[in-house]
Amino acid sequence: DIQMTQSPSSLSASVGDRVTITCRASQTVASYLSWYQQEPGKAPKLLISDASKLRSGVPSRFSGSRSGTDFTLTISSLQPEDFATYYCEQSYSTPLTFGGGTKLEI
Amino acid sequence: EVQLEESGGGLVQPGGSLRLSCAASGFTFSEYLMRWVRQVPGMGPMWVSSITEDGSKTTYADSVKGRFTISRDNAKNTLHLQMNSLRAEDTAVYYCARVAADGTRGLDIWGRGTVVTVSS
Repeated sequence: DIQMTQSPSSLSASVGDRVTITCRASQTVASYLSWYQQEPGKAPKLLISDASKLRSGVPSRFSGSRSGTDFTLTISSLQPEDFATYYCEQSYSTPLTFGGGTKLEI
Repeated sequence: EVQLEESGGGLVQPGGSLRLSCAASGFTFSEYLMRWVRQVPGMGPMWVSSITEDGSKTTYADSVKGRFTISRDNAKNTLHLQMNSLRAEDTAVYYCARVAADGTRGLDIWGRGTVVTVSS
C-alpha cells in the first residue's frame, strides 16, 4: 500500500499568513494527488487535483505543486474561511489512501 | 444542482447488515466512476470501494473485502453499498463521492454522509 505522510499535523497561523502543507508518498503516485479541505461536520471539498490543477470555484490563493513524490499545498494569504483541516489523497493505485490531515488553526 | 445524498445509515449490532444508498441528481450518473469513502470522527477519510461507470468492475479495501458489496442502478441514478458481517470498527460516517471526469481522479462531488454505528 502507498503511505501518504502529511505534515505538519497541526499548524497555527494568522489571517494573511502564507502557509505550506506537505504530503510525501512512499512510492510514485505520478500526479494522481488531490488536496481536500474539510470543515467540522461537513464532507471534504476538492481543492486541487492532478497535483496542481485548481478546481473550478476555488480561490487562486490555493496552489499545489509536485517534486517527485513530494507534494505541497500552499495558501498564499490565509483568509478566515481557510481555517479547516486539509487532506491529501493519492489515487494512483488501490488501495487509495489519504494523508493523516493538517488542522489549520488560528 | 449537482448533488449526492446518502441514506440507510443507523445503529446495528455486530454481525448485522445495512444497505446504504446514494441518490445522484443534476448530472448524468451513468458517465461517472463512483466511490464510497468512510471517516471516523477525528480521523482522516478512508477509501472503501469503487465502481466503474457501467458497474462491470468493482474494487474494495482489504478491510471490507468479502463483507461489503458496491453496486449501482444507472436507470435509477443510485449507488448502493451492501454491508454484511458488520464490526465495531466499521463505525463511521459513510460518504458517496463522484470521481471527476477529467482524468485527474479527484473526488469532485461528495454527499453529506450517513452515520453507521455498529454496537451492541
